[in-house]
Amino acid sequence: AQKITQTQPGMFVQEKEAVTLDCTYDTSDPSYGLFWYKQPSSGEMIFLIYQGSYDQQNATEGRYSLNFQKARKSANLVISASQLGDSAMYFCAMREGRGSNFGNEKLTFGTGTRLTIIP
Amino acid sequence: DGGITQSPKYLFRKEGQNVTLSCEQNLNHDAMYWYRQDPGQGLRLIYYSQIVNDFQKGDIAEGYSVSREKKESFPLTVTSAQKNPTAFYLCASSLGQGGRIHNEQFFGPGTRLTVL
Repeated sequence: AQKITQTQPGMFVQEKEAVTLDCTYDTSDPSYGLFWYKQPSSGEMIFLIYQGSYDQQNATEGRYSLNFQKARKSANLVISASQLGDSAMYFCAMREGRGSNFGNEKLTFGTGTRLTIIP
Repeated sequence: DGGITQSPKYLFRKEGQNVTLSCEQNLNHDAMYWYRQDPGQGLRLIYYSQIVNDFQKGDIAEGYSVSREKKESFPLTVTSAQKNPTAFYLCASSLGQGGRIHNEQFFGPGTRLTVL
């Protein structure tokens, strides 16, 4: 079974609109972390936001927020007021087990969603 | 400026040749990683290292080798045993043990390898 599933291969969104990128995950570990990364056409991966499985509140970082629904095992990324510079690939990733422990740093990535912002 | 450098940006190799991709970081991170990215796919982990002189296989280690002789450096060798080496290779690092709880990975700009 896929550990991380991103069902939207591509999305087109009008500039200034909000957009939600879907991510579902599968793990039996009670302790895990979920990450979102942005990959512009240059290729470099840029960290956007993190949600821990024990975090009580949904994570927010500027225009990025994470809609974390633990029971549904989903961690959707919401980008508010989209901008042309948001056009990129977006990847959801999961780390199982607690962070900062030896051997628990591996990330499993989804296949990504290509977001295109239309002017 | 702290960061991760990868060289070269583009690399061409003839079939049957080994090639080494460089990855250097000056972030004082303990952990380093190598990923492979193919079109339409996410990143897949090749090798990772939590400390100097120690490394572990990831999900797709066959045909690859690494070394970790210095904290700053984690070179990846793509050997002739790798059946389909044409891909985009990304190196990453994180604080590792003792880092922040979410310990995000920081990525280099990548190397695009093409086998001719």
